[in-house]
Amino acid sequence: QVQLVQSGAEVKKPGSSVKVSCKASGGTFNNYTINWVRLAPGQGLEWMGRIIPILGIAQYAQKFQDRVMITADKSTSTAYMELSSLRSEDTAIFYCAREVPAAGTEWFDPWGQGTLVTVSS
Amino acid sequence: DIQMTQSPSSLSASVGDRVIITCRASQSIRNYLNWYQQKPGKAPKLLIYAASSLQSGVPSRFSGSGSGTDFTFTISSLQPEDFATYYCQQSYSTPPHFGQGTRLEIK
Repeated sequence: QVQLVQSGAEVKKPGSSVKVSCKASGGTFNNYTINWVRLAPGQGLEWMGRIIPILGIAQYAQKFQDRVMITADKSTSTAYMELSSLRSEDTAIFYCAREVPAAGTEWFDPWGQGTLVTVSS
Repeated sequence: DIQMTQSPSSLSASVGDRVIITCRASQSIRNYLNWYQQKPGKAPKLLIYAASSLQSGVPSRFSGSGSGTDFTFTISSLQPEDFATYYCQQSYSTPPHFGQGTRLEIK
């Protein structure tokens, strides 16, 4: 049974960076693709990017491309999402989710529990 | 990018009601459409994948249908624990955008 456990809540100043971790247990981490999704207050789910740990290749949503970096440490089965140049509008819950590929498509399951990042001066 | 449009954005219903949510893609996505449920303070949960396949452990009152650009998500008989926000997501191409969500509230 795959489980994803994320790091705890963070409070950050505008202009700073935050790095959220997502540790996987169960299954084979290298075989996963890990996605990151944001849920801002009053907004819907927003895909930020993904990483294929075995390849070390990341893809990003255009909206975040200049400010986000997604990495993975295979030795600890942990994925990371770092968002820089934080502004108040980045206050949100950030989720990691495993991508399950099958029959030419994929879906996200399971999800981490979420990490609340608050950006405030 | 493929855009996903969900409707309605919010819905009030009673226990026992049949509820239908629709999701439209800006171009054909075959059957590459997933549905998630999210309750306040909780992570999203996969309910339906590939448009109509029920995820293991999900009650059979949930169902999905459609292909191409138009999709439907149905709860056949609403239960108290079903009040939540529901999202569709296309998985045909990157970025795998979500619909804007449908908030299902108690009438």
